[in-house]
Amino acid sequence: DTGVSQDPRHKITKRGQNVTFRCDPISEHNRLYWYRQTLGQGPEFLTYFQNEAQLEKSRLLSDRFSAERPKGSFSTLEIQRTEQGDSAMYLCASSGIRGIEETQYFGPGTRLLVL
Amino acid sequence: RKEVEQDPGPFNVPEGATVAFNCTYSNSASQSFFWYRQDCRKEPKLLMSVYSSGNEDGRFTAQLNRASQYISLLIRDSKLSDSATYLCVVNPGYGNKLVFGAGTILRVKS
Repeated sequence: DTGVSQDPRHKITKRGQNVTFRCDPISEHNRLYWYRQTLGQGPEFLTYFQNEAQLEKSRLLSDRFSAERPKGSFSTLEIQRTEQGDSAMYLCASSGIRGIEETQYFGPGTRLLVL
Repeated sequence: RKEVEQDPGPFNVPEGATVAFNCTYSNSASQSFFWYRQDCRKEPKLLMSVYSSGNEDGRFTAQLNRASQYISLLIRDSKLSDSATYLCVVNPGYGNKLVFGAGTILRVKS
């Protein structure tokens, strides 16, 4: 399977715990994105990497959130001291440019439930 | 005001019907436009890009009106398998993020 993969697919944690999610993008894509989706809403942008550089962060990304892409390949998203409001689907996407078209392809997501 | 607004539906239609979804966006500098489809508890998948000249892909037709900041999606001859949430998506032109509408739910019934 050459699509975007995410691990774990589901995570249940207690409030106050730290969690880390992993995303493996499509291998030839140099851009990687994290989004968050809550019930009844569309995905909301969190952050974006081009290769290993984090180029943009949303105001949604509080100090408890950190994302890395150390070698420009896979990425991790860590949430420290989780809160019930962090419960959501965390989606990773990757993209590369072909001609003038750039399309973001999404992974299956990690569904987080904070109790 | 949200950057991208859609009618949430649900649209309940019989098989074979034609259904149209509309979307408006607030940033006139927006660069590119898309429709994504999302099945229940799955990730969004690109349905089609939207161009000013309008574009068609089989039973699906997308239109963009930059002057009115309005995007539409027309589905002809609806199939049961078209049941999903349709997300209107805009690249606002700053950074590379996508801005999603909340989605329109379509239910096609036999």
